[in-house]
Amino acid sequence: AQSVTQPDIHITVSEGASLELRCNYSYGATPYLFWYVQSPGQGLQLLLKYFSGDTLVQGIKGFEAEFKRSQSSFNLRKPSVHWSDAAEYFCAVVPDNDYKLSFGAGTTVTVRA
Amino acid sequence: NAGVTQTPKFQVLKTGQSMTLQCAQDMNHEYMSWYRQDPGMGLRLIHYSVGAGITDQGEVPNGYNVSRSTTEDFPLRLLSAAPSQTSVYFCASSSIAGGQDTQYFGPGTRLTVL
Repeated sequence: AQSVTQPDIHITVSEGASLELRCNYSYGATPYLFWYVQSPGQGLQLLLKYFSGDTLVQGIKGFEAEFKRSQSSFNLRKPSVHWSDAAEYFCAVVPDNDYKLSFGAGTTVTVRA
Repeated sequence: NAGVTQTPKFQVLKTGQSMTLQCAQDMNHEYMSWYRQDPGMGLRLIHYSVGAGITDQGEVPNGYNVSRSTTEDFPLRLLSAAPSQTSVYFCASSSIAGGQDTQYFGPGTRLTVL
């Protein structure tokens, strides 16, 4: 079955340290790829998306993600986290032969002072 | 613009009761969808609509009904609530059909079924 995998359920990172969240998908062709963030008690907000072209995409709040076709991955990174980055992060995928969005299970990020 | 609004924010139901979760958007988006969020499972698509009068099932449609009589509104009806429907429900909209476009999410409705 086609799927989206976020291997890390919970990550704790110190303020000012770098952050990388992993996402792998199992769709055959290159899908549309997204990262969404959910702050506590809030809805989801789009951080960035990849459709085609440059495999390194920049998003809001200083986040970036890199698409690696050979690894079927779309990992999210931030060089220096802020306390306000504590949230749940979701990778999402739309296959190129479909248009329904499938979400990974999410990674919760805790930022310690 | 208010964006996507959802009411109520919280709801407690007894098993067997019915209710409607309201969703409205003021961005003139054609595509609207309902998701449920459960711990460790991410968001799963319940129903979606590509325009007024057109709806279809998502991944987990059982026990839910939708209709789309206007572009703005997309209510989700629970016909006979069950404890398995305890979840957080999110409505989303986008300007073009499907998840390929940026989805704008509402703040969610937290539903508990006793």
